[in-house]
Amino acid sequence: AQTVTQSQPEMSVQEAETVTLSCTYDTSESDYYLFWYKQPPSRQMILVIRQEAYKQQNATENRFSVNFQKAAKSFSLKISDSQLGDAAMYFCAYRTNTGNQFYFGTGTSLTVIP
Amino acid sequence: DTAVSQTPKYLVTQMGNDKSIKCEQNLGHDTMYWYKQDSKKFLKIMFSYNNKELIINETVPNRFSPKSPDKAHLNLHINSLELGDSAVYFCASSQYGQGGETQYFGPGTRLLVL
Repeated sequence: AQTVTQSQPEMSVQEAETVTLSCTYDTSESDYYLFWYKQPPSRQMILVIRQEAYKQQNATENRFSVNFQKAAKSFSLKISDSQLGDAAMYFCAYRTNTGNQFYFGTGTSLTVIP
Repeated sequence: DTAVSQTPKYLVTQMGNDKSIKCEQNLGHDTMYWYKQDSKKFLKIMFSYNNKELIINETVPNRFSPKSPDKAHLNLHINSLELGDSAVYFCASSQYGQGGETQYFGPGTRLLVL
């Protein structure tokens, strides 16, 4: 079974600085999808960014970008120019190319310090 | 327009009661899910339905029964509620074969069993 590991239960960053959240996963598949979801205190799960494993180019969405290292099975999220509204729980997720199941990591709680 | 909606948003009930949580999506997706998020924020899939058919049924007590009257709805019925059922329950939907099958989440239902 696939597993997703987020080794940082908590992280903090100064406002306007850059922070990187790590995620590793275990799979024997060559084609799959990776996601970062944000969960603010409101508990809503919000998609931040998505990466297709067959794409070598790292996905970018405004201040959010990923460092996808397929051989290392690593998928880190970089948040640039951190804002107070970025404070949330961040979940890394893996989706297999076959089947309909997502595997979520245990989350990283990000605090943004004014 | 709300893409994935859940009712109720909050549910407080006594042990032993039976309760239902409703989920509706207006995205035209063919796959819907139920997740349970415990107090430690760990997100675990419970059920997945594709075109009204159960395709994933993780190890959950049989007191939990999903019902999908049509592709746009996936309700969760819980019998004989226990203290350990207290959690936030998320409904999600995705479309097979589209965009990495990103899952879109509802706002969550916070269940508290007294």
